[in-house]
Amino acid sequence: GESVGLHLPTLSVQEGDNSIINCAYSNSASDYFIWYKQESGKGPQFIIDIRSNMDKRQGQRVTVLLNKTVKHLSLQIAATQPGDSAVYFCAALHPGTYKYIFGTGTRLKVLA
Amino acid sequence: KAGVTQTPRYLIKTRGQQVTLSCSPISGHRSVSWYQQTPGQGLQFLFEYFSETQRNKGNFPGRFSGRQFSNSRSEMNVSTLELGDSALYLCASSLDRATDTQYFGPGTRLTVL
Repeated sequence: GESVGLHLPTLSVQEGDNSIINCAYSNSASDYFIWYKQESGKGPQFIIDIRSNMDKRQGQRVTVLLNKTVKHLSLQIAATQPGDSAVYFCAALHPGTYKYIFGTGTRLKVLA
Repeated sequence: KAGVTQTPRYLIKTRGQQVTLSCSPISGHRSVSWYQQTPGQGLQFLFEYFSETQRNKGNFPGRFSGRQFSNSRSEMNVSTLELGDSALYLCASSLDRATDTQYFGPGTRLTVL
């Protein structure tokens, strides 16, 4: 079946360093992807999205890269801050059914 | 603009009971989606409502049902609760289409004993 997976359940980075969170998806026809951030006790918060006609998209301190050849996307966070500590997960929109398939999440820990 | 609100935030039920969860979308949003989030499975899509009609459905048993009212508020119901139904239930609203950005509420934490 359809799946979206993240490579690491936990990622620890030093404050000020850059963070890279990876995600792989199974359906090559998926054409829309979203990264969400979920802090403890809160619902997922939209960070950035990208469509399949793009390879890269930048936001404030975040960049999403999409590699359709290997069905992989990554979220890069520049100058990671303590407030970035959360669970991050990606979602892929299944074409046709318009259902989002979510990854299980990577917990980002920012070390002081 | 107020965000998505969900009530109640926490619920404790016993097996066999039923439960109703409520979601109020962002003003102007007409699409409401429900998800179940568990540590092992991540977010699983339950269903989506638009203009009081179920427009999309995930792979959950018929014990899980929902509805949407004319003001776009939505409720989901789980009947004959099982231990495995313990989860965080999240509601997300978007303007119209599934590809519109979904904004999530804080969720309802359901514990089934």
